[in-house]
Amino acid sequence: DVKVTQSSRYLVKRTGEKVFLECVQDMDHENMFWYRQDPGLGLRLIYFSYDVKMKEKGDIPEGYSVSREKKERFSLILESASTNQTSMYLCASSLVGSGTDTQYFGPGTRLTVL
Amino acid sequence: RKEVEQDPGPFNVPEGATVAFNCTYSNSASQSFFWYRQDCRKEPKLLMSVYSSGNEDGRFTAQLNRASQYISLLIRDSKLSDSATYLCVVNRGNTDKLIFGTGTRLQVFP
Repeated sequence: DVKVTQSSRYLVKRTGEKVFLECVQDMDHENMFWYRQDPGLGLRLIYFSYDVKMKEKGDIPEGYSVSREKKERFSLILESASTNQTSMYLCASSLVGSGTDTQYFGPGTRLTVL
Repeated sequence: RKEVEQDPGPFNVPEGATVAFNCTYSNSASQSFFWYRQDCRKEPKLLMSVYSSGNEDGRFTAQLNRASQYISLLIRDSKLSDSATYLCVVNRGNTDKLIFGTGTRLQVFP
């Protein structure tokens, strides 16, 4: 059974804090993605990675960075959290490139920045 | 114009009803099309891929009209367990990036 796990289901941080969101997949997938989901805006791609140490910006990368040191792990970093980064963060992975492969999602991390 | 547009609903239908959702996309170079299902406070999960010839999976039928850049999902004999938000998903051109619609909410009542 495919599995994508995220380090926290709920997280509360203060403005200006550095925040790490971790994602781990056990399916040996090459591609990994970070999205945020907001009411009325749907899922928006923040960053994705198609290989270890490789990354590409998505549609809304400002204020975020990522790290992929191992194939199974993809981290999202908020260098200095702001209230407008309060959101649901979803990690996903897929097997190969081409856009035709299913993306499997983790359960999400609901981040609140006060 | 949004890259993927869906009617947000909600669609409130009785058990046993047939309901159809539509979606339009703006990028004519898109090659891959999907419907995902998302339950309340849960992650999205693939419901079905959408092929040019149309495809069926049990009570669910998906259709693609490339000329009109339009995708549909038909659910027959609705069950209470079908209550969820249905996301129309399209890849951006010939890339691995998926564009998600904001979803159509379905509520099936007894």
